[in-house]
Amino acid sequence: QKEVEQDPGPLSVPEGAIVSLNCTYSNSAFQYFMWYRQYSRKGPELLMYTYSSGNKEDGRFTAQVDKSSKYISLFIRDSQPSDSATYLCAMSAGGGSNYKLTFGKGTLLTVNP
Amino acid sequence: DADVTQTPRNRITKTGKRIMLECSQTKGHDRMYWYRQDPGLGLQLIYYSFDVKDINKGEISDGYSVSRQAQAKFSLSLESAIPNQTALYFCATSGEGQESSYNEQFFGPGTRLTVL
Repeated sequence: QKEVEQDPGPLSVPEGAIVSLNCTYSNSAFQYFMWYRQYSRKGPELLMYTYSSGNKEDGRFTAQVDKSSKYISLFIRDSQPSDSATYLCAMSAGGGSNYKLTFGKGTLLTVNP
Repeated sequence: DADVTQTPRNRITKTGKRIMLECSQTKGHDRMYWYRQDPGLGLQLIYYSFDVKDINKGEISDGYSVSRQAQAKFSLSLESAIPNQTALYFCATSGEGQESSYNEQFFGPGTRLTVL
């Protein structure tokens, strides 16, 4: 089993839809969870950063972490064509020498006007 | 100006050539990373550096070497390029501060490398 699993999609939705993106993981030591957005031919851009379980909201974006289920989600409300990108989940065990980020393979999202 | 810059942005080379990719950052971060990204494989860590004197291998370091010339500069070299090193290469940085932590990595725009 891979450490981080992410459905590659592609996912296509109409403008205004609620989008749900998900990752599962197997390493119970992961404590820090991130979502990156990557536009075509660009570098990944940090979108959301959360620690441990719970929810974090930033505008139209909500990140959820359920450590008991080893499952994280990113919700996008009122999706816009500008949200069309690949979304990568990433996670790490913690600070100090536990620097290493483990990435999902990314989900390609297209929001159609 | 971008916080993390990479040069060149695109490079086409031939098998056996030595190639150097460069990364510079103005974020003041002490940690820097090199990744490669292949379609369907996600991001794979090649090398990482916690400071100028601390360089470590990542998951896929064979065929690559790095140099940390200064806190702000981290170069990746392909000693003898081969076609399966054709990929998108990203540099990233992280650092501890009021608004960031080592777990948050910030990426450059990438270098698209093609080895013929």
